[in-house]
Amino acid sequence: EAQVTQNPRYLITVTGKKLTVTCSQNMNHEYMSWYRQDPGLGLRQIYYSMNVEVTDKGDVPEGYKVSRKEKRNFPLILESPSPNQTSLYFCASSFGLLAETQYFGPGTRLLVL
Amino acid sequence: DAKTTQPPSMDCAEGRAANLPCNHSTISGNEYVYWYRQIHSQGPQYIIHGLKNNETNEMASLIITEDRKSSTLILPHATLRDTAVYYCIVRTSFKAAGNKLTFGGGTRVLVKP
Repeated sequence: EAQVTQNPRYLITVTGKKLTVTCSQNMNHEYMSWYRQDPGLGLRQIYYSMNVEVTDKGDVPEGYKVSRKEKRNFPLILESPSPNQTSLYFCASSFGLLAETQYFGPGTRLLVL
Repeated sequence: DAKTTQPPSMDCAEGRAANLPCNHSTISGNEYVYWYRQIHSQGPQYIIHGLKNNETNEMASLIITEDRKSSTLILPHATLRDTAVYYCIVRTSFKAAGNKLTFGGGTRVLVKP
């Protein structure tokens, strides 16, 4: 089944404790992206990647890192999480910038205490 | 990208057609109309998109007015599982960078038995 998976789905952590949220897709998509969703602010793009070893900042990259060493994986790294990074995170993928649709993962709900 | 206006909420009876309007009066000639939906806290799901002709797929139909300033998403036989927030997005098919989706407020659709 074609899908985007994220792990973990739920995470509670404390300020400053490094964490990684994994994202994997099995559709051989070139493009992958991370969003966060907060009440009243909609979906905001954090980082995106157009292919292996090619990443770029979205609208809200501060406090996040990403890497794209393999085509299927696009982990989101929070080196020193803070409470304002408490949010619902979505990974998405598509065939490329010209792709008509993006496929979203199920989401990761993060609480930073 | 052009701004869209959608009603904040609507109810629909199970088994009946749901007609979701969207205004995009500032749409430009190379901008497409996309519809996504998001079931509570799940990842957004692509539904359909179009440029100026009406479109139909297994999920829905999209009717775009001749002047392209508004459109209607039609769910032909709404089920309880169609309860979700529906987002109308207007954007160019190709983005110079980011390929990000920007969701507005959307329409919260409640399908009632």
